Amino acid sequence: SQQGEEDPQALSIQEGENATMNCSYKTSINNLQWYRQNSGRGLVHLILIRSNEREKHSGRLRVTLDTSKKSSSLLITASRAADTASYFCATGGGGGNKLTFGTGTQLKVEL
Amino acid sequence: DTAVSQTPKYLVTQMGNDKSIKCEQNLGHDTMYWYKQDSKKFLKIMFSYNNKELIINETVPNRFSPKSPDKAHLNLHINSLELGDSAVYFCASSQDQTDTQYFGPGTRLTVL
Repeated sequence: SQQGEEDPQALSIQEGENATMNCSYKTSINNLQWYRQNSGRGLVHLILIRSNEREKHSGRLRVTLDTSKKSSSLLITASRAADTASYFCATGGGGGNKLTFGTGTQLKVEL
Repeated sequence: DTAVSQTPKYLVTQMGNDKSIKCEQNLGHDTMYWYKQDSKKFLKIMFSYNNKELIINETVPNRFSPKSPDKAHLNLHINSLELGDSAVYFCASSQDQTDTQYFGPGTRLTVL
């Protein structure tokens, strides 16, 4: 079964608003990563947060990790139309030496 | 310079045929992967190679056979293609097995 599940499955917001996506997982992890996939393209790594970290920032991205709740969130501030994509969380270190991807959140940012 | 490249980008073929997809990475990574993404965008790992050795082989029909001639290349050969094999196949690489992965652009396989 999938290690990570994202919520919501789809999110539609207006440009300039913030977008928050959540990821829950089941087993212990070494790290949690977020990836973006534009339509028809490969996945692009956004940010990696280790199990001993609670929050990480990269530009307009903010990721939190709560290992006690086995959950993470990705916040995109001041969204732009170009942020329209699918966002996946991936957990590393749980269930073997591999990344296990979540089900993804489809984000649409409208002008 | 493309870090992870795949060929072909699109592949349309008949049921029962045999086809191959090639992948190359110029990042100097030790580990390479093949993923399958279905129509619902569910991304599932198929195989992983580390320094030319198979380390992950998920529940994949044995019609799928990966081959790694060197650590910069991981090809995927599929025998006797079936309709259910239609999907987008992504190659990826990373330095370590739980490290950041770099994905290729994908190969959209359509089996008619």
